[in-house]
Amino acid sequence: DTEVTQTPKHLVMGMTNKKSLKCEQHMGHRAMYWYKQKAKKPPELMFVYSYEKLSINESVPSRFSPECPNSSLLNLHLHALQPEDSALYLCASTQDSRRSYNEQFFGPGTRLTVL
Amino acid sequence: EDKVVQSPLSLVVHEGDTVTLNCSYEVTNFRSLLWYKQEKKAPTFLFMLTSSGIEKKSGRLSSILDKKELFSILNITATQTGDSAVYLCAVSGGGADGLTFGKGTHLIIQP
Repeated sequence: DTEVTQTPKHLVMGMTNKKSLKCEQHMGHRAMYWYKQKAKKPPELMFVYSYEKLSINESVPSRFSPECPNSSLLNLHLHALQPEDSALYLCASTQDSRRSYNEQFFGPGTRLTVL
Repeated sequence: EDKVVQSPLSLVVHEGDTVTLNCSYEVTNFRSLLWYKQEKKAPTFLFMLTSSGIEKKSGRLSSILDKKELFSILNITATQTGDSAVYLCAVSGGGADGLTFGKGTHLIIQP
């Protein structure tokens, strides 16, 4: 298995809803990432998990809550989002965060719309 | 603040043309530069460059890095309509660092 999968593909939620995005990889990668991409903009880093521990949080608001239950799975829990949080949410993984040189491989993304 | 600048931001050429996309960077901690192609959804990995002067090649695509002048170029020869996409350049500080992306070059290949 050489890919990163994300579910759901699309999500529409109200500002009072609680939902979760899921990311999975079975490549044995030990670092996983969440990026947010607004229309016509490049991806922006949100969180990094290295060996299942949160290693980078790019000052993301607390209405986004990441979770890494095991080395293959990464979740992003969403609560009380704002319409400006509507974006494509991309998950990525890389083989070994202890190496200097790491390609990151991206999942297909979840397109989130907040009403 | 880390900066990755791509040029041009958009480019329209005809099928068969050769294009050169540019990426310059100013970052505090550099380990590698990566190129991605993004169509409708996720960025797909093209190249990772870590050493100056060594060309990476894959079919009609090639890329090279100049660590002294802090830039990279991506060349596409004999372009096809399927090459139409946004090409993203990103820099990594290594380890588990996230990527810092440029704004991308939106390439359109006309038949």
